[in-house]
Amino acid sequence: AQSVAQPEDQVNVAEGNPLTVKCTYSVSGNPYLFWYVQYPNRGLQFLLKYITGDNLVKGSYGFEAEFNKSQTSFHLKKPSALVSDSALYFCAVRDRAGNTPLVFGKGTRLSVIA
Amino acid sequence: DAGVTQSPTHLIKTRGQHVTLRCSPISGHKSVSWYQQVLGQGPQFIFQYYEKEERGRGNFPDRFSARQFPNYSSELNVNALLLGDSALYLCASSLADGGALLLVSGANVLTFGAGSRLTVL
Repeated sequence: AQSVAQPEDQVNVAEGNPLTVKCTYSVSGNPYLFWYVQYPNRGLQFLLKYITGDNLVKGSYGFEAEFNKSQTSFHLKKPSALVSDSALYFCAVRDRAGNTPLVFGKGTRLSVIA
Repeated sequence: DAGVTQSPTHLIKTRGQHVTLRCSPISGHKSVSWYQQVLGQGPQFIFQYYEKEERGRGNFPDRFSARQFPNYSSELNVNALLLGDSALYLCASSLADGGALLLVSGANVLTFGAGSRLTVL
């Protein structure tokens, strides 16, 4: 079975500093990996995905994520955080093999402090 | 273009009642998935439909059912509501399912609606 772990419930960072939101995954085969963001009283918004190729994936709003197969990780990063980045972030994984649904982690709340 | 639309946005029910939630996918999207998001948790997969057929079902009791209509819109029904059914119900649409076009469709991005927040008293 596939699963996602987001080890931090909350990440606090000062505005202008780099941010990292951690994600590790488990699948039987090779993964498709996604990051979504959720603002209060809103649905999930897609940020970026890893399919194949370059391990560094660039997405919306200046976010990027690095796929590390040996560590089964897909950490979300941004060089300079904005207060408006404060939100709930979800990592998700789907196994390439078989018709499996997208499985989400429990989420990490990012708080960017001015 | 309109995104994924869900209705109602908020509703309050009492234990034992029935609820129907509705979802209209993005134009051209043939696959609809339903997720339940309990407060403080990540979304949990309930159902996926493609071309009016159920293509996947999560670990939810038979009180949960869904269907997809010829125009690709979808309904999620929950019978005999329990307090634990209180959650944000999210609908997501995508271009294709995870079947024959898996290598492509498995990488498809799910586009989510804003959700229907159900409170069971």
